[in-house]
Order: sequence, then structure tokens, then C-alpha cells
Amino acid sequence: GAVVSQHPSWVICKSGTSVKIECRSLDFQATTMFWYRQFPKQSLMLMATSNEGSKATYEQGVEKDKFLINHASLTLSTLTVTSAHPEDSSFYICSAIRTSGDTDTQYFGPGTRLTVL
Amino acid sequence: QKEVEQNSGPLSVPEGAIASLNCTYSDRGSQSFFWYRQYSGKSPELIMFIYSNGDKEDGRFTAQLNKASQYVSLLIRDSQPSDSATYLCAVNTGKLIFGQGTTLQVKP
Repeated sequence: GAVVSQHPSWVICKSGTSVKIECRSLDFQATTMFWYRQFPKQSLMLMATSNEGSKATYEQGVEKDKFLINHASLTLSTLTVTSAHPEDSSFYICSAIRTSGDTDTQYFGPGTRLTVL
Repeated sequence: QKEVEQNSGPLSVPEGAIASLNCTYSDRGSQSFFWYRQYSGKSPELIMFIYSNGDKEDGRFTAQLNKASQYVSLLIRDSQPSDSATYLCAVNTGKLIFGQGTTLQVKP
């Protein structure tokens, strides 16, 4: 199946620092990637849609200046959490769409667990 | 009304039984439907997808779709303890909308 990787798998940082998370599609090109956040015992919450070569589309309530998304190539999207605070501690998961014929299937990366002290 | 609804459970079944997971959705225009499995602390893993009304079987898993009634279900035959996880239903409305997930517990 399709493979999507994320790096790092976990990160601990001090409050006020910025953290960059990478999402890569390893065996296919993805013009669209998504960034989700999941708090404990809650479902996935879509944060933004990352489009290669254009600006990301953010969901309502998600601060675009705080969560910077760059989709610089067809296999890489990055999410930077700027000036992180403890309330940003969460499980961040990216996904990428692979198109095969007229079928679009979304595959998830393994996730990045962010802890802000 | 939530766009995608699932019973949060937990749904408890004995090993070897059939587990039935249900999901309803509100957007009649939805065309594709997905079931993901998520183990605690891990990211979702695609189990199967379905586009057409009826049943789709893959090993021990069967997805059922009824667009007229706006529901999609997942049956797991011969349930195993390793199937214990949260099962997420997702509906593609142009972007993937997830239900809150149903926690399945398979007891040996």
C-alpha cells in the first residue's frame, strides 16, 4: 500500500519555541495533503488542506499564522507550530491523497506527538 | 446534527463473533466512504473503502453501503483480540469528514 512518513515521530520542546513537522509521500506524488490534530480520546480534527504550489486552506478556528504550512513539492508538506504553548501539545497527523484512475484514497502518516513544556 | 455519526461504544464482542459497526452521514451527495482502524497512540490505518451501494468484502471485513438510508457499516467476522481498536468512519464530501469513532473490544 501507499506509504506516508512523518518526521519526527515525537518532539518535546519548551514553550515559545517553534517546531517543524515533515510529511512525505514515499511512493506516490500528492498534490494534496492534509494536517490533522487529535487530542486524547477525541477524533481527528482537520486543521488545514495543503496544496502543492499554493497557499494552504485552513479550517475555521485554526490560526494560519501559528500553524504555518508549506507544500513545496509533490512529496513533501511541512507544518510549523510557531511559538508553541502547552495547549498545542497534541498528536499531529498528516495524510496524503493518492489518485489511481478515478479513485482517490487518503493515507495517513504515523503521526507526530508534540509535547510543549 | 453531526456530519458523520458513530456510536462511541465501547462495543464488546467475544472472540470469534461478528462485530458490527455502524455509521450514518448527513450529506446525500457523498460519494465515497472509508473505514479506518486506529490503535491507541497510533495514526489511522485504512481498512477499506466503498463507493457503490451493497456489500464489499475483503478478508474478514465487509463494508456495506446504503445511500438511500445514508448509512455505511463494517462487519468483522471471526473477531480477534487484535481487532480491538477504535474504528473511524470517514465520508468524502470534497474533504474527508470523520466520525468520532467506535471503540471495539474483542474479549478472549
